[in-house]
Amino acid sequence: GAGVSQSPSNKVTEKGKDVELRCDPISGHTALYWYRQSLGQGLEFLIYFQGNSAPDKSGLPSDRFSAERTGGSVSTLTIQRTQQEDSAVYLCASSLPPVQGGTQYFGPGTRLLVL
Amino acid sequence: AQTVTQSQPEMSVQEAETVTLSCTYDTSENNYYLFWYKQPPSRQMILVIRQEAYKQQNATENRFSVNFQKAAKSFSLKISDSQLGDTAMYFCAFMRLNSGNTPLVFGKGTRLSVIA
Repeated sequence: GAGVSQSPSNKVTEKGKDVELRCDPISGHTALYWYRQSLGQGLEFLIYFQGNSAPDKSGLPSDRFSAERTGGSVSTLTIQRTQQEDSAVYLCASSLPPVQGGTQYFGPGTRLLVL
Repeated sequence: AQTVTQSQPEMSVQEAETVTLSCTYDTSENNYYLFWYKQPPSRQMILVIRQEAYKQQNATENRFSVNFQKAAKSFSLKISDSQLGDTAMYFCAFMRLNSGNTPLVFGKGTRLSVIA
């Protein structure tokens, strides 16, 4: 079946603008994760959603970052008032519960460049 | 908190040869999964292999196998008969198990170049 998809593939924005990044998980996957990959910090967890539970936001770097998951499927990561240090690749992953495997499958990422 | 360490930032191997990538981790958990992911220049993160900590037998997937030493907290990846398409960044990752899903903790990665 279809894998995890993300859009846009690339995004260039000006400092101070808001951006929205979208993730479509694998159909039927109950968990969805956002990670950030940057040169200086490697791969960092940002936030994850699990079923109908409240999301774990413990990895969000500031209150400028937020995410929603509508209808248990598509997720949007929003970055408000972007800063140059937000430039990175944002990766989304989805998975089944651990009892059904728990392996995370990744999308192709969105490369964000803040000028 | 868990940490994952990959001590080899870069490695190279001749085509058809065997290479081993190192990974160590630190955790007080007893139940967890370990993964190796591959990220080629296309930046798509691809699962290579996975190991459940409760399994003593080392996982294998075709040319890829792991040496999982739970007591030593070591999880190395062996690639046999290396191919040009194996050129990529390789990330070792740890996932704690509980009643639900948990995020991955990644190492910094090893850049592998396969040379013709």
